[in-house]
Amino acid sequence: GQQVMQIPQYQHVQEGEDFTTYCNSSTTLSNIQWYKQRPGGHPVFLIQLVKSGEVKKQKRLTFQFGEAKKNSSLHITATQTTDVGTYFCAGPSGGGADGLTFGKGTHLIIQP
Amino acid sequence: DTAVSQTPKYLVTQMGNDKSIKCEQNLGHDTMYWYKQDSKKFLKIMFSYNNKELIINETVPNRFSPKSPDKAHLNLHINSLELGDSAVYFCASSGGHFYGYTFGSGTRLTVV
Repeated sequence: GQQVMQIPQYQHVQEGEDFTTYCNSSTTLSNIQWYKQRPGGHPVFLIQLVKSGEVKKQKRLTFQFGEAKKNSSLHITATQTTDVGTYFCAGPSGGGADGLTFGKGTHLIIQP
Repeated sequence: DTAVSQTPKYLVTQMGNDKSIKCEQNLGHDTMYWYKQDSKKFLKIMFSYNNKELIINETVPNRFSPKSPDKAHLNLHINSLELGDSAVYFCASSGGHFYGYTFGSGTRLTVV
């Protein structure tokens, strides 16, 4: 079935440094979504990418969808303590189902 | 107004018991889901319901049964609870294939 691999699993950064998490799929994706989960919280939808090579920005966050629509990345510029949490990518499960298959997430830890 | 609400937030119970988790959404979404998040934060889809029809059931033990009295509700009933069922269970809803999910705040289930 659909597999979505995400690296790194953990990332420690100093406040103000940049951060990137990468997502790779075993199959071509029709779209990819990104979520953020704060410690003790629930996943919150950030963005969806649909087009090949698409780049979207949300303030300090930059999301990219690969040309082949099999990989994606999330880059955060100049991290702040509010960026702490786990970032998940997710792609359609396929087979006509409506569910999402989530990557295992990247835990971002920020040291002040 | 909470878009997706789950109850209870915490549930501690003994092995062998039967328990239910309730979920309601007021977004008018057609599809609702149950996800299980283990101690490593891995999110795995359990069920998807679209207009009261089960779409996917990802090899979940038949001790777990979703019940949807109407489009706005998707409850999760668990029979004969086991230690390995301890996890955080998230309900979510979606407006369609190209829309992000809205998650509930989660139910932390602890089986002792």
